[in-house]
Amino acid sequence: DAGVIQSPRHEVTEMGQEVTLRCKPISGHNSLFWYRQTMMRGLELLIYFNNNVPIDDSGMPEDRFSAKMPNASFSTLKIQPSEPRDSAVYFCASSFAQGGGGTTNIQYFGAGTRLSVL
Amino acid sequence: RKEVEQDPGPFNVPEGATVAFNCTYSNSASQSFFWYRQDCRKEPKLLMSVYSSGNEDGRFTAQLNRASQYISLLIRDSKLSDSATYLCVVIGYGNKLVFGAGTILRVKS
Repeated sequence: DAGVIQSPRHEVTEMGQEVTLRCKPISGHNSLFWYRQTMMRGLELLIYFNNNVPIDDSGMPEDRFSAKMPNASFSTLKIQPSEPRDSAVYFCASSFAQGGGGTTNIQYFGAGTRLSVL
Repeated sequence: RKEVEQDPGPFNVPEGATVAFNCTYSNSASQSFFWYRQDCRKEPKLLMSVYSSGNEDGRFTAQLNRASQYISLLIRDSKLSDSATYLCVVIGYGNKLVFGAGTILRVKS
């Protein structure tokens, strides 16, 4: 079975540009998570969805970040406008949560998108 | 205090050695615990869940100490391929998974 698929794998952009990261979760999973990883802050949860509905976006750093999940097989994380401090690796993860347990189940990660904002 | 704390290491050990990592957590109500492994420039992957009674998977043993609020990972007979960053994961406040910053292990021949 295919795992979590993220695209692009690498993105280099200039400050002020819009960046869109994409994620396809594992088929049958009902929870999806977006993380950001940096050397300084480690792995941080940005937002997660249960059954395509955003449940907790308290980790989203500011209004420049937005995430959508229009259907069970696709999600996007958008940064507009991007800034150099947004440079990081962005991971998407998915899990299957019974009874809407969401975050308490094993999460499977995509390979990540390495973002560099110049 | 951070929700999950780990010694960043690095732990430099020879092949065949036994090495142990600890991880402390602050949420006494946490019910789920995991160890993930992350190779350089790769995504985190589940190594093992941590059960109340402790559990073993080959050369790897995980333990939970609720009274002292820490979990541990023991690796016996270390292999070169065990070199990686080991992430402690705990259910944090708000019922979300919280990842520790990771412990770097380097196994040398």
